[in-house]
Amino acid sequence: AQSVTQLGSHVSVSEGALVLLRCNYSSSVPPYLFWYVQYPNQGLQLLLKYTTGATLVKGINGFEAEFKKSETSFHLTKPSAHMSDAAEYFCAVSKTQGGSEKLVFGKGTKLTVNP
Amino acid sequence: EPEVTQTPSHQVTQMGQEVILRCVPISNHLYFYWYRQILGQKVEFLVSFYNNEISEKSEIFDDQFSVERPDGSNFTLKIRSTKLEDSAMYFCASSEGTGIIHGYTFGSGTRLTVV
Repeated sequence: AQSVTQLGSHVSVSEGALVLLRCNYSSSVPPYLFWYVQYPNQGLQLLLKYTTGATLVKGINGFEAEFKKSETSFHLTKPSAHMSDAAEYFCAVSKTQGGSEKLVFGKGTKLTVNP
Repeated sequence: EPEVTQTPSHQVTQMGQEVILRCVPISNHLYFYWYRQILGQKVEFLVSFYNNEISEKSEIFDDQFSVERPDGSNFTLKIRSTKLEDSAMYFCASSEGTGIIHGYTFGSGTRLTVV
C-alpha cells in the first residue's frame, strides 16, 4: 500500500525566508508524486508533479520539489516566501503501475508567513 | 481558466436523510473523481468514474454511496442515509485523460454537516 507522511502539520516562516515542506512516501512500485495547495475556501490546486525524467521539478509560484528515491522524499521548497503563500499544502502519491488512478494524500502542512 | 464547479458549498442535513452533492466537471474531461476530507484528517479517495461506470472505489465507498452522470454534464455523489461520520468536505475532480499524467482539476468542495 502507498502512504505519505508530511512532517510538521504547521510551518511558520518569515516573509523572504526559505520555505521547506517535507514529504516522505512509501510505495511498492515507482511512484508519481504531487504537491497540491489549498487556499482558504478554495479547492486543491496542483503546484507540481513528478512522473518521470528530471528529478527536480519546477511548479507554479516559484515552488520546486526534488524526487530523491534513496530517501523516499519529495520535499517542497521555495527560496523566498511571500505573504500570498500562506495556505495548506498537501503531498500525494500515486502508482505508476496497476491501473489505479487514485491519489493517496498526506495530512497536509499549514504554512504561515509572518511579515 | 476552466473550473470544476461544486454545489452547494455548504449543506446541512439530518442524520438518516439522503443527500446529493453536485459537480460540473470541465466540459472536455472524461475522468471523474470524488474525494473527501474529514476535518483535521487526510484527503481520502472515494471513487473514480469513467465511461459511465465506476472504475475504482475505496472501502469507504460502501452501499450507501452512489455516483451518477445523469445528463452528460453533471456528476453527482449520493449518500442514501447520512451518518454523523459522513460530515466532511467532499471534493469533486476531473481530468482530461488518465488523471495521474494530466493531473486532476479539483472543485472548491462541498462542506457536508450531518446533525
